[in-house]
Amino acid sequence: DARVTQTPRHKVTEMGQEVTMRCQPILGHNTVFWYRQTMMQGLELLAYFRNRAPLDDSGMPKDRFSAEMPDATLATLKIQPSEPRDSAVYFCASGFGNQNIQYFGAGTRLSVL
Amino acid sequence: RKEVEQDPGPFNVPEGATVAFNCTYSNSASQSFFWYRQDCRKEPKLLMSVYSSGNEDGRFTAQLNRASQYISLLIRDSKLSDSATYLCVVNKESGTGNQFYFGTGTSLTVIP
Repeated sequence: DARVTQTPRHKVTEMGQEVTMRCQPILGHNTVFWYRQTMMQGLELLAYFRNRAPLDDSGMPKDRFSAEMPDATLATLKIQPSEPRDSAVYFCASGFGNQNIQYFGAGTRLSVL
Repeated sequence: RKEVEQDPGPFNVPEGATVAFNCTYSNSASQSFFWYRQDCRKEPKLLMSVYSSGNEDGRFTAQLNRASQYISLLIRDSKLSDSATYLCVVNKESGTGNQFYFGTGTSLTVIP
């Protein structure tokens, strides 16, 4: 059963620390999305890659967030420095071509103290 | 104005009831529409796509009204296992690729 794998599942860190979240998309998928979910805002798109190229990162705070795809099997989302307001669940999703269907990973639950 | 708006609920219905959710979207150029389901502390999962002609999958029926810019989800004969948050998703293709907008979700609890 193919699935999107995210690590770590939980992360507790102190304000100012660097946080790196990883995502392994489903093999063969060529689109990758990063979302942040909070109770107040719901799911917000942070970044979107197609064939490893970033297409849209307008939802991402550029001063502290960065997203990359070093290769087709790995996507990373980094926060440096982290702040308490970054506490949320971060989801990665992958998809294929123009199907427009996204398959989500289990998420990384981040708490910044 | 948000791209996608949903009534957050909560909807509390007895088993066997019929319940309907609506979702409105602001961009008339939106092209694809979906309903996702999210269980507590889990990831969203695709429930069904929404087609212009309307579509049905078992007890679930989805409708799209482009003129009024809303989509709906109807659940018949509610089961306890239907308790979840239902997310409306709207997609618009642009020069930079697909833009996906999620609603904040409608919470459903089916009561025995």
